[in-house]
Amino acid sequence: QVQLQESGPGLVKPSQTLSLTCTVSGGSISSGDYYWTWIRQPPGGGLEWIGYIYYSGSTYYNPTLKSRVTVSKDSSRNQFSLNLTSVTAADTAMYYCASYKKFYFDYWGQGALVTVSS
Amino acid sequence: SYELTQPPSVSVSPGRTATITCSGDSLGNYYVSWYQQRQGQSPVVVIYQDTMRPSGIPERFSGSHSGNTATLTISGTQAMDEADYYCQAWHSSTPVVFGGGTKVTVL
Repeated sequence: QVQLQESGPGLVKPSQTLSLTCTVSGGSISSGDYYWTWIRQPPGGGLEWIGYIYYSGSTYYNPTLKSRVTVSKDSSRNQFSLNLTSVTAADTAMYYCASYKKFYFDYWGQGALVTVSS
Repeated sequence: SYELTQPPSVSVSPGRTATITCSGDSLGNYYVSWYQQRQGQSPVVVIYQDTMRPSGIPERFSGSHSGNTATLTISGTQAMDEADYYCQAWHSSTPVVFGGGTKVTVL
């Protein structure tokens, strides 16, 4: 069974870059089984897909965030990461990493709350 | 951008049937999945590919899809089913789209 764990700073200043890492266990991010995904949920709000990366390195991003988002991977550590630049208070959210097995998410991390505030 | 529409809330009495709809343009061309998110927890898939139920999900959860509307049905609703439910689909313009979510209250 795949397990995912988010890690990173819980507080980011406005205009800075939000960086999170997802560590995967029980499965390899180098296999073609999954698209490794980031999703966020603002407090009291709904789910928003951010983007994902495939084992080949191909990436796909939400058009509304595409200009600020980068998803990358480190196969040697079985991790993938999220960078979101120029953050504002609107980026305050619970950030989840998840595994996307066409066409649904079968495993989710527990989430990492990131607050954007000075 | 592509949108999926869900009712904001549904109320149901214990033991009765709850029905949650998800609609979108040309949704009939795509598979729909459903996620349950209890308060303070990560989402869990309860239905995938319109009608498939993952192992460990109770049989009272079922899914259907007709035309541009997908439906999640909870039969014999229990107090533990009180949660937010999200539909999700793949779309050619955006690989992943979520509905706005439906809060199910068991009265």
